[in-house]
Amino acid sequence: DAGITQSPRHKVTETGTPVTLRCHQTENHRYMYWYRQDPGHGLRLIHYSYGVKDTDKGEVSDGYSVSRSKTEDFLLTLESATSSQTSVYFCAISDYRGRAPYEQYFGPGTRLTVT
Amino acid sequence: QQPVQSPQAVILREGEDAVINCSSSKALYSVHWYRQKHGEAPVFLMILLKGGEQKGHDKISASFNEKKQQSSLYLTASQLSYSGTYFCGTEIRRGEAAGNKLTFGGGTRVLVKP
Repeated sequence: DAGITQSPRHKVTETGTPVTLRCHQTENHRYMYWYRQDPGHGLRLIHYSYGVKDTDKGEVSDGYSVSRSKTEDFLLTLESATSSQTSVYFCAISDYRGRAPYEQYFGPGTRLTVT
Repeated sequence: QQPVQSPQAVILREGEDAVINCSSSKALYSVHWYRQKHGEAPVFLMILLKGGEQKGHDKISASFNEKKQQSSLYLTASQLSYSGTYFCGTEIRRGEAAGNKLTFGGGTRVLVKP
């Protein structure tokens, strides 16, 4: 299994509070991703990173920010949590072998509940 | 735009076969297939590149029809362990510089009964 951990694994927070989720990898993979998973929507990309300090938005980035100061860590921040951000959050990593795209390996997920 | 998976759910008896389809309205570079069991993370199964390449993983195989922009996942002689939700993730360009940004379908729930 790819070395990916997420913390915390579960969190309950109140509306309006800031929340930071952490993804840590030991694989030295270049690319890291944050997804959210909601019933009926599959996995939706929030933000991704293609190197240290290099990040870009995904399809559902509003209300979220990210930072990557080290290869191994990718942080997702909800500046002011809302109930619509209640979800399961997955981190994923990937890299490239020459021309071929690499598979993405997923972390165990963080279940976030905003009350 | 999110790819469309069909069917949304399928129930099988052990040993039966099933096909899951993933269709896109855009020209695809690659299709990735994942399986997720309840409460767990998605697990990678295989990648299909444009060109009609077919791949296999145990008794699970897949194909990619470039003309139709559709990939099909074949579950052959299904086993109880095949139960879970299957997701396709599509990539519309070769994302070498920025990683492979995937757009996932809504998933197909598969239940294999004894």
